Amino acid sequence: QKEVEQNSGPLSVPEGAIASLNCTYSDRVSQSFFWYRQYSGKSPELIMSIYSNGDKEDGRFTAQVDKSSKYISLFIRDSQPSDSATYLCAVGYGGATNKLIFGTGTLLAVQP
Amino acid sequence: EAGVVQSPRYKIIEKKQPVAFWCNPISGHNTLYWYLQNLGQGPELLIRYENEEAVDDSQLPKDRFSAERLKGVDSTLKIQPAELGDSAVYLCASSYRTSGGLVDTQYFGPGTRLTVL
Repeated sequence: QKEVEQNSGPLSVPEGAIASLNCTYSDRVSQSFFWYRQYSGKSPELIMSIYSNGDKEDGRFTAQVDKSSKYISLFIRDSQPSDSATYLCAVGYGGATNKLIFGTGTLLAVQP
Repeated sequence: EAGVVQSPRYKIIEKKQPVAFWCNPISGHNTLYWYLQNLGQGPELLIRYENEEAVDDSQLPKDRFSAERLKGVDSTLKIQPAELGDSAVYLCASSYRTSGGLVDTQYFGPGTRLTVL
């Protein structure tokens, strides 16, 4: 059973701080990893994709993958109130499967 | 470029009634997905199409749910009859299937929020 686990939160950080979100996954076959942001009442919006071990930076966002421990992280620098949302991590299975398995999401609240 | 389009955005029906949702994917995307998202949960795949073919419908409750993607573009997801437990957000997503072996990047539409009374 492929599983992706996230702490549901809420994670509360002050404005300007670094927000740290993470999830774990169970299947070693996973090759690609995604972070989606979902505002209340809206659909998921892709913010980062990462296909290898290590770090990937995009603006204020850094995604990190550690395949040996099956651990995925997202860091948001200089957090803004507009970053307040649910962050969903997703693990991808390629080839014929071509499937994303989503975690339950972590609610981030950035306090002004 | 237009994103994934879904309609209706909201639907309220009585239990045992039928309901249908429509999705138009991003232009050129050959893979289309229907997901169900319950409150406080991540999206769960119901069915995946590659062009006209449903290549993964293992999670679709086939006794009451059906889907079609005629001509490999638009898709319709139907529930008949609806049950109280079907109340959820139904998301459509699309992607461009590459041959590289990695999973495709999926882009979501705005979703249809279904309430069954």
